[in-house]
Amino acid sequence: RKEVEQDPGPFNVPEGATVAFNCTYSNSASQSFFWYRQDCRKEPKLLMSVYSSGNEDGRFTAQLNRASQYISLLIRDSKLSDSATYLCVVATGNQFYFGTGTSLTVIP
Amino acid sequence: DTGVSQDPRHKITKRGQNVTFRCDPISEHNRLYWYRQTLGQGPEFLTYFQNEAQLEKSRLLSDRFSAERPKGSFSTLEIQRTEQGDSAMYLCASSLVGAGESYNEQFFGPGTRLTVL
Repeated sequence: RKEVEQDPGPFNVPEGATVAFNCTYSNSASQSFFWYRQDCRKEPKLLMSVYSSGNEDGRFTAQLNRASQYISLLIRDSKLSDSATYLCVVATGNQFYFGTGTSLTVIP
Repeated sequence: DTGVSQDPRHKITKRGQNVTFRCDPISEHNRLYWYRQTLGQGPEFLTYFQNEAQLEKSRLLSDRFSAERPKGSFSTLEIQRTEQGDSAMYLCASSLVGAGESYNEQFFGPGTRLTVL
């Protein structure tokens, strides 16, 4: 079983839409959780960390459900510049485990 | 530019040849990671260093792969007797992890794209 599972999409949404991505992880001992963004042919970059209490950064909201081993990312009021692949990342021990990524295209 | 740098950015080689990639982490970062990423997949962990010590290696890292970080600064990843299945993007990342911490944000380099013909 993979450490991190994500729906690869693609998600194609109009500008201004709200879109949500989900991710599950298999190891209940996992300690920290992140969302990274990766643009085409570029390196991944940290978008936000995910805390048990949930956290928000502008149009982005991340949630963690430890009981269900489930992480989510909500993007409100989508912009064209949000088009990218969103990688769910789980830290277990000293390792980061990446999901396959979810592809988002925001359409004008 | 004080980010993570990798060299070369692209490498094309013939099957059976050896290749070596270099990563220069952010100065003062004590952790350095190597990942491999293929099309449509997320980065897969290969190995990591805490200063000059290689602390963990993935089962993905066959004995044809070797990594070093001799002075705790830059690192090299060598692949011997390359195979077509080695074609991928090889990403390096670094982070600064304090005493008592297990991890911190990883900053990635631009990657080395390897094509094995």
